[in-house]
Amino acid sequence: DAGVIQSPRHEVTEMGQEVTLRCKPISGHDYLFWYRQTMMRGLELLIYFNNNVPIDDSGMPEDRFSAKMPNASFSTLKIQPSEPRDSAVYFCASLPGQGRSGELFFGEGSRLTVL
Amino acid sequence: RKEVEQDPGPFNVPEGATVAFNCTYSNSASQSFFWYRQDCRKEPKLLMSVYSSGNEDGRFTAQLNRASQYISLLIRDSKLSDSATYLCVVNVMNTGFQKLVFGTGTRLLVSP
Repeated sequence: DAGVIQSPRHEVTEMGQEVTLRCKPISGHDYLFWYRQTMMRGLELLIYFNNNVPIDDSGMPEDRFSAKMPNASFSTLKIQPSEPRDSAVYFCASLPGQGRSGELFFGEGSRLTVL
Repeated sequence: RKEVEQDPGPFNVPEGATVAFNCTYSNSASQSFFWYRQDCRKEPKLLMSVYSSGNEDGRFTAQLNRASQYISLLIRDSKLSDSATYLCVVNVMNTGFQKLVFGTGTRLLVSP
């Protein structure tokens, strides 16, 4: 299996631009999580899905952030408009619904810089 | 109060030393617990699960204290390759769904 695949790996954009981050989870995993990591705040859970349905989006910082999971093999995290304080590494992770609880499989992350 | 709290460190130790990290969690309904390891500019990876009875994996020992709501990780005979950030993770069942919350991590630097 290829693992969790995220794109782009790096993005540099200007304040006010729209940013779309993409994630392909491991096939057969029921859960998909989006996290944001900064030096100051560590890994923050933004939103997670179970069987493509959003379960908890209480970590989404504000209305500028939105996430979708149109099917079991694809999710997007969108920021519109982007701001410099959104600069961070965004990780997507998937988790099998059964079996070894807690073993999240992470993508390599998308490093976002907003100028 | 954060759901999961850790001392950010860094912990600077010489090779061969024993080092311990603690982590506290606020939700008494937390179901399961884990330690993850994250190398610089890499994604986190599962190091070990934490069981109520305590568990050991080579030089690593994890323990859980439900009454005091903390978990610990002990590393014996530290190696240079142990230098990394160690993340405490708590699985809080949320209306029947798993929800994994990370601490901010504790940075470990092992020097020759």
